[in-house]
Amino acid sequence: DAGITQSPRHKVTETGTPVTLRCHQTENHRYMYWYRQDPGHGLRLIHYSYGVKDTDKGEVSDGYSVSRSKTEDFLLTLESATSSQTSVYFCAIRHTGGDGYTFGSGTRLTVV
Amino acid sequence: GQQVMQIPQYQHVQEGEDFTTYCNSSTTLSNIQWYKQRPGGHPVFLIQLVKSGEVKKQKRLTFQFGEAKKNSSLHITATQTTDVGTYFCAGYFTNAGKSTFGDGTTLTVKP
Repeated sequence: DAGITQSPRHKVTETGTPVTLRCHQTENHRYMYWYRQDPGHGLRLIHYSYGVKDTDKGEVSDGYSVSRSKTEDFLLTLESATSSQTSVYFCAIRHTGGDGYTFGSGTRLTVV
Repeated sequence: GQQVMQIPQYQHVQEGEDFTTYCNSSTTLSNIQWYKQRPGGHPVFLIQLVKSGEVKKQKRLTFQFGEAKKNSSLHITATQTTDVGTYFCAGYFTNAGKSTFGDGTTLTVKP
């Protein structure tokens, strides 16, 4: 969908280690988003970007940072992973013109 | 913050029965979108509603946007096992510049 790929698809990491998740898109979309999905909480916005080097915080940004040095790549970093960050992470792009968001296939992260 | 409340959280139906999920916001929305997520999958965009009182149909799915643009519903007629999944609404608040997702309604269908 819309040329969005997330990597890795699955990751297990230890508490306290840094983790970077990658979102790559091939269609030059301006807006990119990182969400986490947990049972009972739906999709919660972590950070989003509205252009190269332009990012802003979402509702659950504590413990996360992002970078967007190129239009096609949006990176999400957990500086020091905690068990509360075990979740499924989705990247999304926003279409203009009323076609909503297209989501990547997700990254399942487990922090042990 | 601006929230979108979605009910019910779960719905179990017999195949052939109808299903409805509702989204409500305390403030006016610019638009509302609906998504479907199959078990183990990612959310997939279904539709966007923009106008007050708008009604759109996709085969057995009917989407409505309230007159005050504060609520919306998704109705599925005669559910099938292929309708299984979680349905999310996402309300766009102009002053926030981004959408807020409801917590979703998970539909299970007994054959």
